[in-house]
Amino acid sequence: EPEVTQTPSHQVTQMGQEVILRCVPISNHLYFYWYRQILGQKVEFLVSFYNNEISEKSEIFDDQFSVERPDGSNFTLKIRSTKLEDSAMYFCASPYRDIYGYTFGSGTRLTVV
Amino acid sequence: SQQGEEDPQALSIQEGENATMNCSYKTSINNLQWYRQNSGRGLVHLILIRSNEREKHSGRLRVTLDTSKKSSSLLITASRAADTASYFCATYAYSGAGSYQLTFGKGTKLSVIP
Repeated sequence: EPEVTQTPSHQVTQMGQEVILRCVPISNHLYFYWYRQILGQKVEFLVSFYNNEISEKSEIFDDQFSVERPDGSNFTLKIRSTKLEDSAMYFCASPYRDIYGYTFGSGTRLTVV
Repeated sequence: SQQGEEDPQALSIQEGENATMNCSYKTSINNLQWYRQNSGRGLVHLILIRSNEREKHSGRLRVTLDTSKKSSSLLITASRAADTASYFCATYAYSGAGSYQLTFGKGTKLSVIP
């Protein structure tokens, strides 16, 4: 079964620093998604990306966040100036099963100190 | 909001028993999906049920959907210790902003005691 790969698995950063989270989604799909999960809380939608453009974003996805597809395969989420409350698991997803079912990566645990 | 809300929040059962988790949501959906998450790990897609379906089976999983009540249930039969995980329902629906979106509930934490 195709996989979604995320790196790094865990990143610790100082408040105010920039972080880049990377994802290699399932190939041949045009839709990609980022979600986040604060420890013990629900999985929240951040942004969807279609055909190299942001399709939709949540109110969480403010100006500190950006997404790019720099080389046609990798898919990045950048947080420009991290805050303590950005500490969470960040998941990348591609649609796979039945088109509507998503395959999620194993996530990046971001800890902002 | 399209949020799915699961209950119970936590469920503890003995190995071999059946586990039932429920999910309610608020507005029309295209489909409803269930995911599993082991502690600190990623989400694994378990099963998808479309809005025109009422029941679906996959191995030891049985999902029902009642669109009139805007609710779904996930039944895991003959549970095993390895089923210990958090289970999330997620609704796939038109977001009103030109695209479809998958929206998760808070999850049910299932503990299966050997």
